[in-house]
Amino acid sequence: DAGVIQSPRHEVTEMGQEVTLRCKPISGHDYLFWYRQTMMRGLELLIYFNNNVPIDDSGMPEDRFSAKMPNASFSTLKIQPSEPRDSAVYFCASSSWASALGVYEQFFGPGTRLTVL
Amino acid sequence: DQQVKQNSPSLSVQEGRISILNCDYTNSMFDYFLWYKKYPAEGPTFLISISSIKDKNEDGRFTVFLNKSAKHLSLHIVPSQPGDSAVYFCAASPRYNTDKLIFGTGTRLQVFP
Repeated sequence: DAGVIQSPRHEVTEMGQEVTLRCKPISGHDYLFWYRQTMMRGLELLIYFNNNVPIDDSGMPEDRFSAKMPNASFSTLKIQPSEPRDSAVYFCASSSWASALGVYEQFFGPGTRLTVL
Repeated sequence: DQQVKQNSPSLSVQEGRISILNCDYTNSMFDYFLWYKKYPAEGPTFLISISSIKDKNEDGRFTVFLNKSAKHLSLHIVPSQPGDSAVYFCAASPRYNTDKLIFGTGTRLQVFP
């Protein structure tokens, strides 16, 4: 398996523009997570899905952020309009039950580095 | 409010010595704790975990210790190697919601020759 795939790897945009980040989870994983990494808050959970259904979006910072998962193999995180404070690395992760660990083990994509000028 | 805290943003250790990374948590409802390792330009990868019913788990050079009364865990790396230089995230899984993880802010470890 290729692992979790994210695109683009880098995105530079101007304030006010719409930004769409994409994620393809590992096949067979039934959970998908979107995180934002910042120095102050570390890995911050934005939203996660189970079987394509949003379960918890309490981490989404504002109405400018939205996420969808139209099918089991694709998800998007959209920011509209973007602002300079949205600049961060955004990670997508998918998970499956790891019986040896007793938790759902999360596998991360390489991230999208977003810069909003 | 940060439920999982890593108070040291960075740590520098000489090759061959022990690295100790610390993590504190506030929620007594956490059942499992995990450490993830992150190299630049890559996503975090799972390193080692520990259940709340244990106080130690070892995997090669990596050992995690859990002190439930102090709500504290630590990751020991012995001996440290230059390839261990990375950002280490502590994460916790709530008993009431085992499908998600709550991450700390991370500690950047640098191992120098």
